[in-house]
Amino acid sequence: KNEVEQSPQNLTAQEGEFITINCSYSVGISALHWLQQHPGGGIVSLFMLSSGKKKHGRLIATINIQEKHSSLHITASHPRDSAVYICAVGSNYQLIWGAGTKLIIKP
Amino acid sequence: DADVTQTPRNRITKTGKRIMLECSQTKGHDRMYWYRQDPGLGLRLIYYSFDVKDINKGEISDGYSVSRQAQAKFSLSLESAIPNQTALYFCATSDTGTPYNEQFFGPGTRLTVL
Repeated sequence: KNEVEQSPQNLTAQEGEFITINCSYSVGISALHWLQQHPGGGIVSLFMLSSGKKKHGRLIATINIQEKHSSLHITASHPRDSAVYICAVGSNYQLIWGAGTKLIIKP
Repeated sequence: DADVTQTPRNRITKTGKRIMLECSQTKGHDRMYWYRQDPGLGLRLIYYSFDVKDINKGEISDGYSVSRQAQAKFSLSLESAIPNQTALYFCATSDTGTPYNEQFFGPGTRLTVL
């Protein structure tokens, strides 16, 4: 069993829909990261959180430390949100990576 | 200018050839990492370096070697490339001061071994 599991692996939705991507982990962590990988391959950090909730524009990330679970939400999704969203957890000065969720938003 | 750069961006080579991928950073970070990404899999750590004199193997170091020429430069070599090393390779950096492991990525190098 992987230490970081993401679901779903693939998600296709219509423009405007509310999107939820989930991440569960089994190790002790210092922080959890959400990153976005564009179709061209570049990886950018979206959020880094160790408790509670963070919001940036239409993106919201939450974490429940007791349940070892995090969610990434996208409100009013748009085709430009199409990307791979990656969850990674910081543990013992390393990052442990999920396999990513490929999101496609159709106009 | 990008803070973390990788060269080349794309490379096609043949089995048995020696290949070097280079990474440079202007962020002033001590820690540097090399990852590979395969379709459907998460990023996998090849090597990492916490400073110029510190080199560590990651989970998939076999077939790879690295050189940390300076704080700003970290190179990955494939001594004798094989087709299953075809992948997208990323360099990343992080700041020693943070306990949260935030990493900053280069644009990636797409390597194809024929």
